[in-house]
Amino acid sequence: QVQLQESGPGLVKPSQTLSLTCTVSGDSIGRNSYYWSWIRQPAGKGLEWIGRIYATGNTNYNPSLKSRVTISLDTSKTQFSLKLSSVSAADTAVYFCAREREGSDWSGDYYYYMDVWGEGTTVTVSS
Amino acid sequence: NFMLTQPQSVSESPGKTVTISCTRSSGSIASYHVQWYQQRPGSSPTVVIYEDHQRSSGVPDRFSGSIDSSSNSASLTISGLRTEDEADYYCQSCDSNSNLIFGGGTKLTVL
Repeated sequence: QVQLQESGPGLVKPSQTLSLTCTVSGDSIGRNSYYWSWIRQPAGKGLEWIGRIYATGNTNYNPSLKSRVTISLDTSKTQFSLKLSSVSAADTAVYFCAREREGSDWSGDYYYYMDVWGEGTTVTVSS
Repeated sequence: NFMLTQPQSVSESPGKTVTISCTRSSGSIASYHVQWYQQRPGSSPTVVIYEDHQRSSGVPDRFSGSIDSSSNSASLTISGLRTEDEADYYCQSCDSNSNLIFGGGTKLTVL
């Protein structure tokens, strides 16, 4: 059974870089079958997709965060990581890592969804 | 880019049927498939519907999804409501660059 677990500092100072790691067990993140994604949720608010990485290292980022986000993969450690630079209070949220699945329908159109989620980790940006 | 708009909250009694809508602001709802997630308080989201209407493994057939091109919206319908269905529900689709977009979420209260 695939499990994901987020880890990293719970408190980050404004203007600094938020760094989180997601450790994957029960699956190989180096296998070309899934994407590995980050999603965040401010307290009492909705979900925001941050970005994804594929086993090849290819990445896609939310355009609203693209200039500040880096997602990387360490297949030897079965981990993938998130770095978000120049943080502010607006980046305070619960951060989830997830396995993202790509599917295609009968006409060849693709769709994407997260089928396994970590439990989330709270990051507060404050001095 | 487009937005997905959901009602902030809906409520219904146990045993009844409720429908949660997800309206796409621009472009056709049929352009890219819609997924639905359930998030119970204090828990991570779980997918209940993918590819507009496919139920995820283990999801009861009380949950169904559909799209309606005339209203440019997707819908999640839950029949035979149970108290354990009380949760936040999010719709999700993607844009032409495969970036994921979530709706704002709907809080379902089972009275």
